[in-house]
Amino acid sequence: DQQVKQNSPSLSVQEGRISILNCDYTNSMFDYFLWYKKYPAEGPTFLISISSIKDKNEDGRFTVFLNKSAKHLSLHIVPSQPGDSAVYFCAASGNAGNMLTFGGGTRLMVKP
Amino acid sequence: DAGVIQSPRHEVTEMGQEVTLRCKPISGHNSLFWYRQTMMRGLELLIYFNNNVPIDDSGMPEDRFSAKMPNASFSTLKIQPSEPRDSAVYFCASSPPGRGGVAFFGQGTRLTVV
Repeated sequence: DQQVKQNSPSLSVQEGRISILNCDYTNSMFDYFLWYKKYPAEGPTFLISISSIKDKNEDGRFTVFLNKSAKHLSLHIVPSQPGDSAVYFCAASGNAGNMLTFGGGTRLMVKP
Repeated sequence: DAGVIQSPRHEVTEMGQEVTLRCKPISGHNSLFWYRQTMMRGLELLIYFNNNVPIDDSGMPEDRFSAKMPNASFSTLKIQPSEPRDSAVYFCASSPPGRGGVAFFGQGTRLTVV
């Protein structure tokens, strides 16, 4: 039973355009939603998060949107850069602590 | 700030042998996690410590796996005996209090059991 799902295993985008990565969840008890970026042979790196009481959080080129009624969140990267090419994981945590439940990841390729 | 430090980076062992993975969390972080990444199951939580106490070990696959945190600066994940299906990348992560789920990951240990 996957509580956090990323339905697109890969996404290809042209440099300078917008990248939109999507994530769905089933557990309404999640309090925080996070995005991590992962390069090969490295651990996941925290990118941006959003509390369940908000619907948008922005940090530079990265914006996360949360739609609680649809149990859906998305990460927008604009403009996309070749260095953004990586695997992006959506994750969620609940009241019981900082345990993260991860989605399966989306491989983003930004073409120059 | 050295980040989360894991050792070894790579481990190749024969089936049946004992394997010990090590982790040094970031100083001041009070939560520590062990995750495993495989192609089939993605990133899955194995065990979670808070203030050195195991809080949730429901992700530990079987009794062959054990984890300890004897103090705030060190944790081990042990597999005994190891099996080929244990081959995966094992990540340790630590988290400071009050950061809403933000965890900082080590570079991982790639374990291959032959």
